[in-house]
Amino acid sequence: SQKIEQNSEALNIQEGKTATLTCNYTNYSPAYLQWYRQDPGRGPVFLLLIRENEKEKRKERLKVTFDTTLKQSLFHITASQPADSATYLCARDLDTGRRALTFGSGTRLQVQP
Amino acid sequence: EAQVTQNPRYLITVTGKKLTVTCSQNMNHEYMSWYRQDPGLGLRQIYYSMNVEVTDKGDVPEGYKVSRKEKRNFPLILESPSPNQTSLYFCASSLSLGQGSTNEKLFFGSGTQLSVL
Repeated sequence: SQKIEQNSEALNIQEGKTATLTCNYTNYSPAYLQWYRQDPGRGPVFLLLIRENEKEKRKERLKVTFDTTLKQSLFHITASQPADSATYLCARDLDTGRRALTFGSGTRLQVQP
Repeated sequence: EAQVTQNPRYLITVTGKKLTVTCSQNMNHEYMSWYRQDPGLGLRQIYYSMNVEVTDKGDVPEGYKVSRKEKRNFPLILESPSPNQTSLYFCASSLSLGQGSTNEKLFFGSGTQLSVL
């Protein structure tokens, strides 16, 4: 079965630095990967989608890469701010015919002022 | 405002007492889905619906029922709740998940924290 693996350990960085989060997938290459932000007790909020044939996608201070050789996506937040502190979830599509996204457990980011 | 609305936000119940969690979206989305989120296990899909009267099982459907009589509503029913169904539940919708379009993203509700004693 397809799996998404994210580093379960929290990532602590200083304000102004670049945060880099990793998402690894197994088995078949997904058609796309998505990244969501989740604040405590709230529903995930969509951030970015990157397709298999795209190497990189940007949105303001966010950048996502997709490496099909490494089976990995990297999520970068440049010039990080304390307000960026949250859990970030990676998700992939399924190729089993079931219409769903499979989510990783998420990585918690803490940006220190 | 475009949104997915779940109710209630918090619910404490006892084993065996039937309950319904409501979900409604105002974006005319065809796709709707229920997820549960547990520590260390992430989000797991319970059921989903591609359109009215079309529902299908997700990863963990046992003990749950759903219905899709109207496009905007997708209630989650627990006929006989058990303590292992204590979890944080999310309803989500999408314009066209699984259709290979550019609108594959999910919109999530604020969640329902359910405790079954």
